[in-house]
Amino acid sequence: DGGITQSPKYLFRKEGQNVTLSCEQNLNHDAMYWYRQDPGQGLRLIYYSQIVNDFQKGDIAEGYSVSREKKESFPLTVTSAQKNPTAFYLCASSYRGTVPTYSNQPQHFGDGTRLSIL
Amino acid sequence: GNSVTQMEGPVTLSEEAFLTINCTYTATGYPSLFWYVQYPGEGLQLLLKATKADDKGSNKGFEATYRKETTSFHLEKGSVQVSDSAVYFCALGYGNKLVFGAGTILRVKS
Repeated sequence: DGGITQSPKYLFRKEGQNVTLSCEQNLNHDAMYWYRQDPGQGLRLIYYSQIVNDFQKGDIAEGYSVSREKKESFPLTVTSAQKNPTAFYLCASSYRGTVPTYSNQPQHFGDGTRLSIL
Repeated sequence: GNSVTQMEGPVTLSEEAFLTINCTYTATGYPSLFWYVQYPGEGLQLLLKATKADDKGSNKGFEATYRKETTSFHLEKGSVQVSDSAVYFCALGYGNKLVFGAGTILRVKS
C-alpha cells in the first residue's frame, strides 16, 4: 500500500543536539510538507517543497532545516537553535494540482514523530 | 491574510446525537476547503473537501457545504457514534499550502 512513513515515532533530544526526523513517501507525490503541532493548536507549517532540490520556508522555519534530494524523501533537522522543540511533528505530501492555484489537492499525512527534550 | 476559525471544544455528545462543528474562513481569491480528522497518536486523515462555492463534500455520513456568502464550511453528521471521537480540523487551501484551524475535540458517549 502507498503511504507516508515517518520515523522514529518517539525521539528524545539533549540540549545543544541536532536531530533529524525522517519522512518517506511512495505515493509519487511532487510536494512534501512539514508541520508542527502543539497541544490545543492547529498545525503550523515549517517547510515545504514542490519539487526535488527546491524548498521554501513556512511560517515557523527558524531553528529547522530540510533537504529534498529525492522525490520520495524530505528529512527535517531540528537544530540546537530551536529553543522549544518539544512537539508533535507531522509530514505530509500531495500532488501539485492544477494551475493556477494548486489549492484543490488534499495532503496525505504520516503518523507523526513526537520529539521531547531530555 | 488567510485564516480559519473553528468553534472551541471539547464538544461532548451522546451516541446518535446530531453534530455540528462550525468553521469560518478569511481568504483572498477562491480557496479549497477541507475537513481532516485526527485520532489519538496518529496523523491527520482527509475526511472531505470542497473546491468551489456551493460544493458539498461528504464522506462516512459527514457533510459540509462551501458557503461563500457566509465564508463558512460547517461540518455536520446526523447521528454520531463513539468511534467518531477524535479531533476535527478545518483547513483552507490556497496556492500550494494549507492553513488549519485550531481543531475541535469531539467526545461521543455511549
